Amino acid sequence: AQKITQTQPGMFVQEKEAVTLDCTYDTSDQSYGLFWYKQPSSGEMIFLIYQGSYDEQNATEGRYSLNFQKARKSANLVISASQLGDSAMYFCAMREFYGQNFVFGPGTRLSVLP
Amino acid sequence: DAGVTQSPTHLIKTRGQQVTLRCSPKSGHDTVSWYQQALGQGPQFIFQYYEEEERQRGNFPDRFSGHQFPNYSSELNVNALLLGDSALYLCASSAPGTGAQETQYFGPGTRLLVL
Repeated sequence: AQKITQTQPGMFVQEKEAVTLDCTYDTSDQSYGLFWYKQPSSGEMIFLIYQGSYDEQNATEGRYSLNFQKARKSANLVISASQLGDSAMYFCAMREFYGQNFVFGPGTRLSVLP
Repeated sequence: DAGVTQSPTHLIKTRGQQVTLRCSPKSGHDTVSWYQQALGQGPQFIFQYYEEEERQRGNFPDRFSGHQFPNYSSELNVNALLLGDSALYLCASSAPGTGAQETQYFGPGTRLLVL
């Protein structure tokens, strides 16, 4: 069963605007971590932000914030003040407490328009 | 502080051949994971190495094998290459962490094309 769902294959946003990338997940574990990665066309996966299942506050890292709704099992990434360099693929991933690997979603391609 | 490095960056092979990909983890990291990313898809977990042993394996055939050296670097070997093995192979390293919050840091990947 697919554990990470990203329903937006592609998104467009105007430069300097905010954008939300959706992610829902499925797990029966109580302890898990949620991660967002950015993958530019060069291929390298760049770590952006982490949210733990027991964290009471939403994670923030600079222009990135995570809208974590545990009951809905969603972990949406919010990028504020979009820049042209934000154009890339964005992947949501989950690691369960007893798992050794990340499970990735299919990704969302974000295009920032000038 | 060097990040995760991988070599080679690109590789072209023909069906039936064998290939070896290499990865050096980020300084201070002792765990290496390998992922296969087909075009247009998210990465799929191949296996993870810790203390020179395979700790967990994804749904990949035995043609995929690996090794971790005492300096924590790692190799991924693929035998009897198939056209479907064409993909970006990503290596990720992590430090001893606490369960789910162990973050993985990725290298730039090796693009393998099988003709």
